Amino acid sequence: GAGVSQSPSNKVTEKGKDVELRCDPISGHTALYWYRQRLGQGLEFLIYFQGNSAPDKSGLPSDRFSAERTGESVSTLTIQRTQQEDSAVYLCASSRRTSGDLRYFGPGTRLTVT
Amino acid sequence: AQSVTQPDIHITVSEGASLELRCNYSYGATPYLFWYVQSPGQGLQLLLKYFSGDTLVQGIKGFEAEFKRSQSSFNLRKPSVHWSDAAEYFCAVGAPMGQGAQKLVFGQGTRLTINP
Repeated sequence: GAGVSQSPSNKVTEKGKDVELRCDPISGHTALYWYRQRLGQGLEFLIYFQGNSAPDKSGLPSDRFSAERTGESVSTLTIQRTQQEDSAVYLCASSRRTSGDLRYFGPGTRLTVT
Repeated sequence: AQSVTQPDIHITVSEGASLELRCNYSYGATPYLFWYVQSPGQGLQLLLKYFSGDTLVQGIKGFEAEFKRSQSSFNLRKPSVHWSDAAEYFCAVGAPMGQGAQKLVFGQGTRLTINP
């Protein structure tokens, strides 16, 4: 597609349920990032994938958070046993390996935990 | 660890007036610096970036930013704002992760309101 896409655009879930968020990067972009943006805050780095290398998970806030990526395609971010503090917009971004900048962000998934 | 401070949470300017959004960073080495804009209902868009070279960088939509190492600053400027510039602006500092990747650390953002 023309840009990074994310689904769903909005998700409302009950506390304690698991959720799965999806990101489709731009074709040919080997790098993929997940960020979290809480209301009124900047973006927090969560995880980074680069090709078939081991992902950088240093930003994941707890073991309830995990992410997967198959090759250089779709990525899913899973949050288990959701808590109210997980409510945020989850943003995905992709870039070419050598671009050195995050030019392409998706529209985000707004997660609300009730 | 790197960090970014945007001292102004909210700024209001009149249409046609000049604009300066402040950004201060903390990073031990030469930083990679970025400004992004987030309009309501839109995704983040890269305005401009500084990696090296000329410390005054030009971006899209008439924006520019100046890197001042002595002040650890990377302020964003525009000589004359338009109503369509109303948005949230984020400054970010990047640390190379290898293989061309950047682990970006973002400031908390500055919301810009334009008065007609």
